[in-house]
Amino acid sequence: GAGVSQSPRYKVAKRGQDVALRCDPISGHVSLFWYQQALGQGPEFLTYFQNEAQLDKSGLPSDRFFAERPEGSVSTLKIQRTQQEDSAVYLCASSRGAGGGYNEQFFGPGTRLTVL
Amino acid sequence: GENVEQHPSTLSVQEGDSAVIKCTYSDSASNYFPWYKQELGKGPQLIIDIRSNVGEKKDQRIAVTLNKTAKHFSLHITETQPEDSAVYFCAASGPGAGSYQLTFGKGTKLSVIP
Repeated sequence: GAGVSQSPRYKVAKRGQDVALRCDPISGHVSLFWYQQALGQGPEFLTYFQNEAQLDKSGLPSDRFFAERPEGSVSTLKIQRTQQEDSAVYLCASSRGAGGGYNEQFFGPGTRLTVL
Repeated sequence: GENVEQHPSTLSVQEGDSAVIKCTYSDSASNYFPWYKQELGKGPQLIIDIRSNVGEKKDQRIAVTLNKTAKHFSLHITETQPEDSAVYFCAASGPGAGSYQLTFGKGTKLSVIP
């Protein structure tokens, strides 16, 4: 069955470039999450959407990071003026319900961003 | 905020032996504790979870135990198989407005030696 998909799977950017990472959640899932996973670390929460509303962006590391989900389905994470410390795997997850820790989060394969 | 510590960071076991991974959490209000398995090049996949109103949950070869008093939970894998080799993450989340926000441990790389 269709799971969460992300594109591109790999992205190499020169320092200072802007990048856009796409997430296609499971159809009908209300909640969407972005996480950042540094090498050898666990995922760290970036932001949370309930339908098209961004309810929590407390994990975004700087104002260079911006996420949107305009129609409540596909989401894009944009990073402006990339820096080397932005190099990481960016994971997207979706869940059926609205909020609540009991809703299983289904993860995509991630986008590996390398900033040179 | 919540802090989750996980150990060991690496674990090697012989096929057929058991593996145990332990996590501690800091926020006594946390009430949901999932475990994820991440294979190389893939996203984390939920393998088992436990809520704070139970002390143990089992699913075939996998079990999780929770000690709320000690703020400690563990993953037990019995009769390990080579396909169990992966990185395992524990996580915790709490009640209230931020209950969707999972805090992960740093992971345990499990290697099952045939």
